[in-house]
Amino acid sequence: SAVISQKPSRDICQRGTSLTIQCQVDSQVTMMFWYRQQPGQSLTLIATANQGSEATYESGFVIDKFPISRPNLTFSTLTVSNMSPEDSSIYLCSVARRRSSYNEQFFGPGTRLTVL
Amino acid sequence: QKEVEQNSGPLSVPEGAIASLNCTYSDRVSQSFFWYRQYSGKSPELIMSIYSNGDKEDGRFTAQLNKASQYVSLLIRDSQPSDSATYLCAVIEYGNKLVFGAGTILRVKS
Repeated sequence: SAVISQKPSRDICQRGTSLTIQCQVDSQVTMMFWYRQQPGQSLTLIATANQGSEATYESGFVIDKFPISRPNLTFSTLTVSNMSPEDSSIYLCSVARRRSSYNEQFFGPGTRLTVL
Repeated sequence: QKEVEQNSGPLSVPEGAIASLNCTYSDRVSQSFFWYRQYSGKSPELIMSIYSNGDKEDGRFTAQLNKASQYVSLLIRDSQPSDSATYLCAVIEYGNKLVFGAGTILRVKS
């Protein structure tokens, strides 16, 4: 597996503000992802964080709302911009590690965001 | 997009029993399948991955894959109260993206 840390672990923010979440991995990884888990729901992929190029966003998620940086192979940030109460969720980063013929994904501890 | 279906539960089993969790998926070309355990307030933890048809055992956990019928299951033997959690089934999509089911809540009663 991998040791993944996220900061902050939780935050309470006001409507209209932005929050940047950091994800740090203990070793270099090619693939990093950002997921959202809304209250009582399963996980939904927001985007793939690509090192050296723009992130690849899933349907329903746009760069203006969720800008992502990936400056190197061990670090990524996700910003939640112009927040509204609907953005209250747990945000998780994950990394993929190769295991024989397929990849396994491991998740960070998550950032619990509450927007008032 | 691939769809992954799970019974939301809760599935209640007595301590020491076998818990059986099931998952079906829509895309016949899916190759890799995963079970994650998620405790309340925590992030998902990978507990089993399976790639080939048949059974894969790891301790008290057995994953079973049947590609022809498009289902994957997780058996937990000798269930313990500490196994009480939400179990998420996931399938790899192109680009190594995971598609998750809604999860099954398991309650093990002592």
